[in-house]
Amino acid sequence: DQQVKQNSPSLSVQEGRISILNCDYTNSMFDYFLWYKKYPAEGPTFLISISSIKDKNEDGRFTVFLNKSAKHLSLHIVPSQPGDSAVYFCAASDSNYQLIWGAGTKLIIKP
Amino acid sequence: SQTIHQWPATLVQPVGSPLSLECTVEGTSNPNLYWYRQAAGRGLQLLFYSVGIGQISSEVPQNLSASRPQDRQFILSSKKLLLSDSGFYLCAWSKRSTGELFFGEGSRLTVL
Repeated sequence: DQQVKQNSPSLSVQEGRISILNCDYTNSMFDYFLWYKKYPAEGPTFLISISSIKDKNEDGRFTVFLNKSAKHLSLHIVPSQPGDSAVYFCAASDSNYQLIWGAGTKLIIKP
Repeated sequence: SQTIHQWPATLVQPVGSPLSLECTVEGTSNPNLYWYRQAAGRGLQLLFYSVGIGQISSEVPQNLSASRPQDRQFILSSKKLLLSDSGFYLCAWSKRSTGELFFGEGSRLTVL
């Protein structure tokens, strides 16, 4: 039973446009959510996070939105750049700080 | 600043041979340590985590084991590799105060 779901295995976006990556979760005890970016043959790197007490967190071109009632979060990248092409993982944790991961979404930025 | 390093980066091993992947963390003390495997379509699968020396929790039954002989050292091992052990293995650490993980470079294991 997947507690964190990223239903889109891949997403293709034109350079300069907005990329929206989605993530759904089922466990209402999750209180902290993170996005990681991963290039091939490298370890994932932390991108941005959000606590359940907030509904938005912004860092430069990256914004994460949290809708607790829908158990849904999304990562917005604007404007999208070629270097953003990577696999993006959504992760969630509860008070025990154990992360539950989504399957990842491969983002392809087209020139 | 904190750093994490794992090795070897790539490894090709025959079926039935042993395995040892090593991970060390610098610049922090008493971290939580993790071994993950990246599996296609399943994202990052947690294999083991450790909250202290000699304390190992296993998340999935498997052919692998982990050990933490020192505070900042985490080792992934196998006595006899299976073909299904092939994959990309990631070591990670986290601060106790947050859930944020910091990953090593990864180790690509191919079992032939």
